[in-house]
Amino acid sequence: EDQVTQSPEALRLQEGESSSLNCSYTVSGLRGLFWYRQDPGKGPEFLFTLYSAGEEKEKERLKATLTKKESFLHITAPKPEDSATYLCAVGTSGTYKYIFGTGTRLKVLA
Amino acid sequence: NAGVTQTPKFQVLKTGQSMTLQCAQDMNHNSMYWYRQDPGMGLRLIYYSASEGTTDKGEVPNGYNVSRLNKREFSLRLESAAPSQTSVYFCASSDNAPGAGTEAFFGQGTRLTVV
Repeated sequence: EDQVTQSPEALRLQEGESSSLNCSYTVSGLRGLFWYRQDPGKGPEFLFTLYSAGEEKEKERLKATLTKKESFLHITAPKPEDSATYLCAVGTSGTYKYIFGTGTRLKVLA
Repeated sequence: NAGVTQTPKFQVLKTGQSMTLQCAQDMNHNSMYWYRQDPGMGLRLIYYSASEGTTDKGEVPNGYNVSRLNKREFSLRLESAAPSQTSVYFCASSDNAPGAGTEAFFGQGTRLTVV
């Protein structure tokens, strides 16, 4: 069965303390791995799509990387405004379902 | 450019009442989706529409019906609401299928409480 697992469930960082969030997946026929940011009371906001192992994408303090089994979202020198839940999802060949992980709740303290 | 717009934002229903959640996108996307989000469960697909004129069941379709009214609009109907349908509902759209590696864009959600 296709599955996406995110860890940790929750993470508290001091402002400026870099860290990484993990998204591991077991799927057949990965066609894309997607990262989203979700603020409380809002819908998920698209961040990145990764397609193949070794690919990296960056946006401000965020960098997403992909291997054959997992993806990492690296947060460099985070600020309080980076506090949110980060979701990853995969798209697999032949399906119309995005498979989501349950997310990592990130809190950055000033 | 509004993206994906959902109405209403909040709703309280009594058990057995019916209602329709509305969704519209202005990105000319082919595919549209309805998800529900519950604590600890992640986002679960209720129904999707791969293209105008087609709809299919997702993981948790029981108790729901959908209509793809045109390319822009995709509505979700609860015929007889139950407390188990208390959730946050998200509509999303994408240019092509997830299997084509296309990202989805989400609305702001409808927070539904069934008492």
